[in-house]
Amino acid sequence: KAGVTQTPRYLIKTRGQQVTLSCSPISGHRSVSWYQQTPGQGLQFLFEYFSETQRNKGNFPGRFSGRQFSNSRSEMNVSTLELGDSALYLCASSLEKNTGELFFGEGSRLTVL
Amino acid sequence: GEDVEQSLFLSVREGDSSVINCTYTDSSSTYLYWYKQEPGAGLQLLTYIFSNMDMKQDQRLTVLLNKKDKHLSLRIADTQTGDSAIYFCAESMDAGNMLTFGGGTRLMVKP
Repeated sequence: KAGVTQTPRYLIKTRGQQVTLSCSPISGHRSVSWYQQTPGQGLQFLFEYFSETQRNKGNFPGRFSGRQFSNSRSEMNVSTLELGDSALYLCASSLEKNTGELFFGEGSRLTVL
Repeated sequence: GEDVEQSLFLSVREGDSSVINCTYTDSSSTYLYWYKQEPGAGLQLLTYIFSNMDMKQDQRLTVLLNKKDKHLSLRIADTQTGDSAIYFCAESMDAGNMLTFGGGTRLMVKP
């Protein structure tokens, strides 16, 4: 069974640009969560989607958004990039909601110059 | 608010037991988890414990939960060099799959 796939794995952007990251969950998983990992703040929850609906949202500005498609694939978008957005963005899928048993992808490493 | 704390670093010799500790502040936490992250990889769920349990054992892993002190520990028996990684504890309060993670403990296993 294929794991969680995130694309792209690495990308470099400049301040003010926007970026879209993609996540394909494990087949059959309906919940997709996104986390930001930085050396200073650690792992922070961004949002969770289940059946195309956002269930929870972390404490991030409105520049961070996401969506989930009918095939459970998810994208997250960050607009007007800032230097502080440089991070590893991790996507995790779960069979159902309310399990906490998350299967993580390898992440998309974003560098903002 | 929620806060999960872990020590930053632990070094052990191969074959010894490792004990990684975690404290949390929210007494309404329902599920507590241990995740492992190897270099360049995402996180891997190792084990979890419900808040109504005191202990859970899974092969070389033993999780102990002290609800009174809000203290969680992960014991790895017969630690191997392949166990070298960062270990994160996390809590959830039935808010879907929204987890609050600790800062991670880097475990170094010396041969």
